[in-house]
Amino acid sequence: EPEVTQTPSHQVTQMGQEVILRCVPISNHLYFYWYRQILGQKVEFLVSFYNNEISEKSEIFDDQFSVERPDGSNFTLKIRSTKLEDSAMYFCASSRPGTGRNTEAFFGQGTRLTVV
Amino acid sequence: AQKVTQAQTEISVVEKEDVTLDCVYETRDTTYYLFWYKQPPSGELVFLIRRNSFDEQNEISGRYSWNFQKSTSSFNFTITASQVVDSAVYFCALSDTNDMRFGAGTRLTVKP
Repeated sequence: EPEVTQTPSHQVTQMGQEVILRCVPISNHLYFYWYRQILGQKVEFLVSFYNNEISEKSEIFDDQFSVERPDGSNFTLKIRSTKLEDSAMYFCASSRPGTGRNTEAFFGQGTRLTVV
Repeated sequence: AQKVTQAQTEISVVEKEDVTLDCVYETRDTTYYLFWYKQPPSGELVFLIRRNSFDEQNEISGRYSWNFQKSTSSFNFTITASQVVDSAVYFCALSDTNDMRFGAGTRLTVKP
């Protein structure tokens, strides 16, 4: 069964460093998302991406964050200068074509980012 | 504003008990979708169900059942004859014209 894959599963970085979290969405999906979950808290929407541009973003998604689809398969989240409070589990998700954003989102296993 | 409330932070039951997880939502849209996801201790998010706002039929899938009531803006999830493997955090989520928003989650512990 097709699945969303994320790499790495765990990343440790020093405060102020740039990190890139990588995701390979399901191949025929057209909508892509990033979510964040701080340990023990709820899953928070960061950004959605469609047709090579951001379609929605939350108040969390500030100038430190950017997303890119550099080729036909990868979808990346970049944090320019990490802060301690960026430590969280980051989930990538994608959803099927023809049904828009309001459909079942398939989630990756997550990347646990630890900023030290 | 779009909002999902899961009032139960933690629930603990003994195996074979039935348990209901509550979810109340707010949205101004007439077209929306409701979801339940399971997050086991391993951390991944597992899709359980999606309902659209026009379909109020309750659904049963094995030991899982869902009760969608638009009149009370609720989408409750019941596990019948709970098992230890059901122990997880369960998230209710709402998607309308914007994005998918999650509730705070309910941590379910099923004791043997």
